[in-house]
Amino acid sequence: GAVVSQHPSWVICKSGTSVKIECRSLDFQATTMFWYRQFPKQSLMLMATSNEGSKATYEQGVEKDKFLINHASLTLSTLTVTSAHPEDSSFYICSARDPLASTYEQYFGPGTRLTVT
Amino acid sequence: QKEVEQDPGPLSVPEGAIVSLNCTYSNSAFQYFMWYRQYSRKGPELLMYTYSSGNKEDGRFTAQVDKSSKYISLFIRDSQPSDSATYLCALVPSGTYKYIFGTGTRLKVLA
Repeated sequence: GAVVSQHPSWVICKSGTSVKIECRSLDFQATTMFWYRQFPKQSLMLMATSNEGSKATYEQGVEKDKFLINHASLTLSTLTVTSAHPEDSSFYICSARDPLASTYEQYFGPGTRLTVT
Repeated sequence: QKEVEQDPGPLSVPEGAIVSLNCTYSNSAFQYFMWYRQYSRKGPELLMYTYSSGNKEDGRFTAQVDKSSKYISLFIRDSQPSDSATYLCALVPSGTYKYIFGTGTRLKVLA
């Protein structure tokens, strides 16, 4: 089955620094990837849609200058949290869609836990 | 009003019970209906999806959609402790691949 990986699985950073999270589709090419944020005991909130070779589309209320998304290849999308603050601490999950699949299924990565101190 | 409503639980049931999980929605443009399971601190995994009103069965799981009532359900038969997780409904509007998630229902199956 389709596999999506994320790296790192857990990261701690100091307030004011930037951190990069990678999302990779391991056995398929993903023209579209999605980035979600999940706070404890809450649901997944879509942050942005990442399209290979073009600019990401951000959801309302998400600061595009703070959450930089790059989808430079068909198997890799990155999310950079710039000038992180404690309120950015959350569980970040990416997903990818296989354009050759006939369903609307998104394959989710295992998530990255970000803690900003 | 949220687009998708889901009771967050927690829901505790004894092993072997039939579990009913539900979501309601307000937008009739939703076309695809997915159920995901998420274990603590893990990414969601797809259980079932459907796009039409009616029932769809897969092993111990049955997904039910009633578009006229804007109501979807997931039934788990013979529940096991390993089913303890958060169950999320995800709805997809027509013309897009974006998911709208429910809040998730935390389920605990007691041995």
